Amino acid sequence: AQKITQTQPGMFVQEKEAVTLDCTYDTSDPSYGLFWYKQPSSGEMIFLIYQGSYDQQNATEGRYSLNFQKARKSANLVISASQLGDSAMYFCAMRGGLNTGGFKTIFGAGTRLFVKA
Amino acid sequence: GAGVSQSPSNKVTEKGKDVELRCDPISGHTALYWYRQRLGQGLEFLIYFQGNSAPDKSGLPSDRFSAERTGESVSTLTIQRTQQEDSAVYLCASSPRATGELFFGEGSRLTVL
Repeated sequence: AQKITQTQPGMFVQEKEAVTLDCTYDTSDPSYGLFWYKQPSSGEMIFLIYQGSYDQQNATEGRYSLNFQKARKSANLVISASQLGDSAMYFCAMRGGLNTGGFKTIFGAGTRLFVKA
Repeated sequence: GAGVSQSPSNKVTEKGKDVELRCDPISGHTALYWYRQRLGQGLEFLIYFQGNSAPDKSGLPSDRFSAERTGESVSTLTIQRTQQEDSAVYLCASSPRATGELFFGEGSRLTVL
């Protein structure tokens, strides 16, 4: 079975500082994908970054980077130089593989990030 | 538009009534998902369609919930005999391939009185 865990219900960060949002996962698939999405108060879901299980390098997209530690089964999101517009809910997600019954994508419970001016 | 379209955006119904929610995915996207998001909560997986394969229905919470998709086009999620605990935002997402990122619609907010 697949499982995604986000243990931080809420996080505060000072504007312009970096913040790390934690995500751990569990799967028996050798091939899987990890995603982060942002959900502002408006409710839309915005894709941020993707990491494949076989990717050697950590993924980066602008101010977002994914700290992928495969042996520890963690895929933490790092946001550098936080901005007020980063205040939102952040979801970690995992897409499984054939061993766990298919390619469905499941989500963690989310972390609400508050950026302080 | 080119995005995922969901309708209705808001639906208020009485307990015991049936409701149908519609999702029009991005053209050419083979994968389609339905999720449920209760207020302040995460996304709960309901069902996944991939091309012409049998759907993964493992997340449907009860036999009151069903979904259909014709080919790689529109999908409908049906909730029969609605209960108050069915109140939530129902999100649809599509993806160009089984392994890709998801593109979400704006959701259908269901309120069961």
